[in-house]
Amino acid sequence: DQQVKQNSPSLSVQEGRISILNCDYTNSMFDYFLWYKKYPAEGPTFLISISSIKDKNEDGRFTVFLNKSAKHLSLHIVPSQPGDSAVYFCAGRNSGNTPLVFGKGTRLSVIA
Amino acid sequence: EADIYQTPRYLVIGTGKKITLECSQTMGHDKMYWYQQDPGMELHLIHYSYGVNSTEKGDLSSESTVSRIRTEHFPLTLESARPSHTSQYLCASSAGTVNEKLFFGSGTQLSVL
Repeated sequence: DQQVKQNSPSLSVQEGRISILNCDYTNSMFDYFLWYKKYPAEGPTFLISISSIKDKNEDGRFTVFLNKSAKHLSLHIVPSQPGDSAVYFCAGRNSGNTPLVFGKGTRLSVIA
Repeated sequence: EADIYQTPRYLVIGTGKKITLECSQTMGHDKMYWYQQDPGMELHLIHYSYGVNSTEKGDLSSESTVSRIRTEHFPLTLESARPSHTSQYLCASSAGTVNEKLFFGSGTQLSVL
């Protein structure tokens, strides 16, 4: 059973507009979440994270929102740029000494 | 910047061959991981290690084995490769702090013919 779900396999956005990538999780013990960006044939790179004690974390053009009651988080990218085109993975883990659990990713295409 | 290295980047081999995928990190991280990823799928954890001489299997059943004799080195071995092993293999490490993040290598794209 998938503990981290990214239900949109792909998303297309025009350059300059906002990109919103969504992620749902089922494990109520998860208390830390991360977003990674991945280009083809490369390893994922860390983007932004959020702890369950917060509901928002911002870093430049990237903002992550966490809704614990809905077990939902989202990544907002604004303004979107063509270089943002990549696959974005959501990941979560619980407070125990356990590895991260990743979703299937959402492929973002930013069209110039 | 992350200092974690994987070799080779690409590998094409025949069925039945034994292969070892190399992963090294220079950050002194105790925790290291191997993930397997296919297009459109999640990263599946196949092995992890929380220190020297400590290895665990991940969620995804795998016919590979790992070893952790040195902190910086975490190689993955397939004794007899099969076409079903064709995938991207990603190595990662982390410091093991409370709100840790994983640093990934560039990956090895394995094709078994």
